[in-house]
Amino acid sequence: QVQLVESGGGVVQADKSLTLSCAASGFTFSNYGMHWVRQTPGKGLEWVSIIWYDGSKKFYADSVKGRFTISRDNSKDTLYLQMNSLRAEDTAVYYCTRETSSKSSDYWGQGTLVTVSS
Amino acid sequence: QSALTQPASVSGSPGQSITISCTGTSSDVGAYNLVSWYQHHPGKVPKLIIHEVSKRPSGVSDRFSGYKTGNTASLTISGLQAEDEADYYCYSYAGISIYVFGTGTKVTVL
Repeated sequence: QVQLVESGGGVVQADKSLTLSCAASGFTFSNYGMHWVRQTPGKGLEWVSIIWYDGSKKFYADSVKGRFTISRDNSKDTLYLQMNSLRAEDTAVYYCTRETSSKSSDYWGQGTLVTVSS
Repeated sequence: QSALTQPASVSGSPGQSITISCTGTSSDVGAYNLVSWYQHHPGKVPKLIIHEVSKRPSGVSDRFSGYKTGNTASLTISGLQAEDEADYYCYSYAGISIYVFGTGTKVTVL
């Protein structure tokens, strides 16, 4: 069965860096685009970034552009999100998701909490 | 990349039908038939319930239906049940591999 397992969350000071990982299993990882989505405390879902199935293209929400970098290692079935210059407003649960051909996300990880302290 | 607009809350009694709107622009909702909807029970993982405006994934109840008119997509929940109480989010492709979520709607079953 499809599984996505995020890790790497924690408490980090503002302006510092953190890297999240998402280990995928149960499907051919290299065939799918992958997203990062976050949910800030008490607020809604926010799309963060996408990486194409082969890693050739990467796109970001304006709120993280220039600070976050998405990457993947298809040999390890793993997705990453490197987060630099973290701000208090980046505090959120971060989910990795699998993209379908209809531009939706059919599988989600359980999420990993990132708390940025100022 | 402005969030799509949803009502903050919608409520209904068991058995009733409710509709949640999701208003975007001609660059996102209006431009593509690539709107999806997610049900999110607090503390759980969001669940895809509608994709491509009106298609239901396997296993999703036919009480959930979706449609779109112009720049507004809508989700209807028929025969409201207690288990439907959750947050609901619309999501749209906005071109050039950019995506946007709605502001979210809390559904309360009275």
